[in-house]
Amino acid sequence: DVKVTQSSRYLVKRTGEKVFLECVQDMDHENMFWYRQDPGLGLRLIYFSYDVKMKEKGDIPEGYSVSREKKERFSLILESASTNQTSMYLCASRSTLDRRTYEQYFGPGTRLTVT
Amino acid sequence: TQLLEQSPQFLSIQEGENLTVYCNSSSVFSSLQWYRQEPGEGPVLLVTVVTGGEVKKLKRLTFQFGDARKDSSLHITAAQPGDTGLYLCAGEETSGSRLTFGEGTQLTVNP
Repeated sequence: DVKVTQSSRYLVKRTGEKVFLECVQDMDHENMFWYRQDPGLGLRLIYFSYDVKMKEKGDIPEGYSVSREKKERFSLILESASTNQTSMYLCASRSTLDRRTYEQYFGPGTRLTVT
Repeated sequence: TQLLEQSPQFLSIQEGENLTVYCNSSSVFSSLQWYRQEPGEGPVLLVTVVTGGEVKKLKRLTFQFGDARKDSSLHITAAQPGDTGLYLCAGEETSGSRLTFGEGTQLTVNP
């Protein structure tokens, strides 16, 4: 089974702190994604990565950066956390070889609260 | 970015009733996926539809992709409390591997 793990289920940070959210997948997937999920807004794409050391901005990249130094790990960084970044953060991975289902596999999410 | 509108946002029904959730867009998608999400977990794929007009069945769930590949529906027959959850549609953009998600439908099936 594909497994996507996220470093924390719950996180509380203070305004202005630098925050690191880590995501690891164990299926050698090329593509990885970071989303945030807010009620009534669905999932919004923050950044994605086609492969190691590659990154592309999603729909809401402001205030975030990412790092993909190894294929299995995709990190989301909040340079200076703000209260409007309080949200559920979901990481996902996908194989470019799976043209049958196009499935993205999600981690359990990190609920971040910025106070 | 392509947009995907999902309706209704909330649905509360009694066990045994039927329901339909809709996803609509003015854009064409190369495929349409439906996910279900339980509280405290990430979304899990239910089905992918690829061909215009395609219908797929998963037990009491029927998924349809519109002929023009711009819209999709999820129909649940004789809903059960175990169907309770957040249902998300997601369209794969024709330009690449990005998914555009609908806003989600929070379904509650009461015993």
